[in-house]
Amino acid sequence: EAGVAQSPRYKIIEKRQSVAFWCNPISGHATLYWYQQILGQGPKLLIQFQNNGVVDDSQLPKDRFSAERLKGVDSTLKIQPAKLEDSAVYLCASRWTDTQYFGPGTRLTVL
Amino acid sequence: EDQVTQSPEALRLQEGESSSLNCSYTVSGLRGLFWYRQDPGKGPEFLFTLYSAGEEKEKERLKATLTKKESFLHITAPKPEDSATYLCAVTFSSGSARQLTFGSGTQLTVLP
Repeated sequence: EAGVAQSPRYKIIEKRQSVAFWCNPISGHATLYWYQQILGQGPKLLIQFQNNGVVDDSQLPKDRFSAERLKGVDSTLKIQPAKLEDSAVYLCASRWTDTQYFGPGTRLTVL
Repeated sequence: EDQVTQSPEALRLQEGESSSLNCSYTVSGLRGLFWYRQDPGKGPEFLFTLYSAGEEKEKERLKATLTKKESFLHITAPKPEDSATYLCAVTFSSGSARQLTFGSGTQLTVLP
C-alpha cells in the first residue's frame, strides 16, 4: 500500500518569498493533517481537514500560512511571505481510525 | 495546559544494553497514547497505540506500557538499527478531532 506522498522534499528560499508544499494522503483516508516540526522538537499541528473541510486551523498563522484540500484528496500548504522562523520540516499525515500515518516531510530553509 | 514530557532527551546505549524511555503526560481525559519512531530525514513511523492503564504492546525488541500518568518504551537487547528518535504523542477523549500532541522525543543511539 502506498504511503503518504509529499513534495518537494527540500526547498530553500529567501525571506519574504512564497513557497508551496503538496501532499497526497493514503487512498481512502478522509482526515488529513499538516504539522510543523522544528529541529529538536516534536511535530506541532497546523491544520486538520476532514474531506475537503477544515476541522481546526486554530494554530495556523493565518497572516502568512494558508492551506486547502480541494476535492477531499490532495492538499497544499502555502507560506507567503516566509520568515526566517519558518525554517522547519513540514509534515503531512492522514488518519485511519485512531492512527495517523506520516509522509516523509518537506524540509524548508529560509535564508 | 495539557503537556507531554519525554525523558531522557538523549540516550546512548551499547548494543545489547537494555533500557527504557519515559513519556509522562498531564492530559485530562486521555483517549490514546502513541509511540512513533523517526529516523533522520524521514517522517514519524507508527509503532504502538495504548488506550488504558495496564495495557502492553510488543514489537520485536520494543515493548510499550501505560500507567495512569506515564508510558514506558522498553528496549531489550538493542541493536544499532534501533538508533532513532522516539516520539510519544497523546489524543484526548473530549471532542472528535483526535489531534496528536507530541513530546519532544528521545534521541536513542545504540553503539556497536
